[in-house]
Amino acid sequence: KQEVTQIPAALSVPEGENLVLNCSFTDSAIYNLQWFRQDPGKGLTSLLLIQSSQREQTSGRLNASLDKSSGRSTLYIAASQPGDSATYLCAVTTNTGNQFYFGTGTSLTVIP
Amino acid sequence: EPEVTQTPSHQVTQMGQEVILRCVPISNHLYFYWYRQILGQKVEFLVSFYNNEISEKSEIFDDQFSVERPDGSNFTLKIRSTKLEDSAMYFCASSPRQGINSPLHFGNGTRLTVT
Repeated sequence: KQEVTQIPAALSVPEGENLVLNCSFTDSAIYNLQWFRQDPGKGLTSLLLIQSSQREQTSGRLNASLDKSSGRSTLYIAASQPGDSATYLCAVTTNTGNQFYFGTGTSLTVIP
Repeated sequence: EPEVTQTPSHQVTQMGQEVILRCVPISNHLYFYWYRQILGQKVEFLVSFYNNEISEKSEIFDDQFSVERPDGSNFTLKIRSTKLEDSAMYFCASSPRQGINSPLHFGNGTRLTVT
């Protein structure tokens, strides 16, 4: 069964810092990997989706990379802002594409 | 931007009662999902639904659960004979297609509290 792990569990940084969130998965036979943001009491907002054949995706200050063979992905956030404070989740789909397996998330706090 | 809408936002029910959680997926999406998140735990897959039938379900999704698309817009999750451990946030999601380039769009969730 696919297991997804995220480290660190929590991260606190001053505003303006660049930061990296890590995600690892045990089974490299994935369809794609998606990073989400979750605000307290809210749903999940899709940030970036990387197909299994891709190495990275960028959206604004966010850059996600994928090393499928080693079972790792990173989410890079440039010039962090207090509004980036949230929990960041990564999830991978199996080769059926139906089921996403989620990590436990990294809780990010950006201090003004 | 189109959104997945879930109602109610919070449901409190007594143990043993039946609840129906409702979702309106994005209108041109074809694949529908239910996930749940017990407080402090991972988001877990429950079931996927396509073409009016279940396409995949997890071991969590036993006979206590059922899904339905009663009309062209709603997608419901029914939980029969609720237990305390069913207390969780239930998320509905939809995607336009399945597979390699299909981001999931989630609703804001229904917080179910079983007392």
